Amino acid sequence: KDQVFQPSTVASSEGAVVEIFCNHSVSNAYNFFWYLHFPGCAPRLLVKGSKPSQQGRYNMTYERFSSSLLILQVREADAAVYYCACSGFQKLVFGTGTRLLVSP
Amino acid sequence: EAQVTQNPRYLITVTGKKLTVTCSQNMNHEYMSWYRQDPGLGLRQIYYSMNVEVTDKGDVPEGYKVSRKEKRNFPLILESPSPNQTSLYFCASSGTRTGYTEAFFGQGTRLTVV
Repeated sequence: KDQVFQPSTVASSEGAVVEIFCNHSVSNAYNFFWYLHFPGCAPRLLVKGSKPSQQGRYNMTYERFSSSLLILQVREADAAVYYCACSGFQKLVFGTGTRLLVSP
Repeated sequence: EAQVTQNPRYLITVTGKKLTVTCSQNMNHEYMSWYRQDPGLGLRQIYYSMNVEVTDKGDVPEGYKVSRKEKRNFPLILESPSPNQTSLYFCASSGTRTGYTEAFFGQGTRLTVV
């Protein structure tokens, strides 16, 4: 079955670098997408690609079947749900989301 | 401005009363989909459409219908809503010509069925 796996919760402290890991079993998938989701708002794309990439404080690592989102200098305001998604030619599949907890 | 528009944003209805949530995109995307988001369960795909007149079930299609008569519109239909369909719904679209591009999401529709 085509699935994307990510941890349900990750905890961090302010100022740290936090890593959220994702892997998949999606056939022919080659792109990863990382989304930020605040409750009640539309999910927002942070970073994407089929190779390592960076957008501001957000870095994305890339392997054939896995990716990590790295958030640099994490802040309390970064506390939200982060979704990993994979795509190939036939499907776009989302993980169940990782809730990031940030302590002062 | 590229966007996905859902209506209504909020809806309270009674069990069994048919309703439609509309979704429209202005990016000429082929691929559109509907998700529901429930606490602790993340985004779950209800239905998707790869192009006009082509729709398919996602992971949780029971109790829902969709149609894709035009490329820009992808309405979600609840023929007989039940309280377990109380949820936050998101419509999304993405291009597919060179493999899937990122998904653009609507602002969400919060549905309450009493």
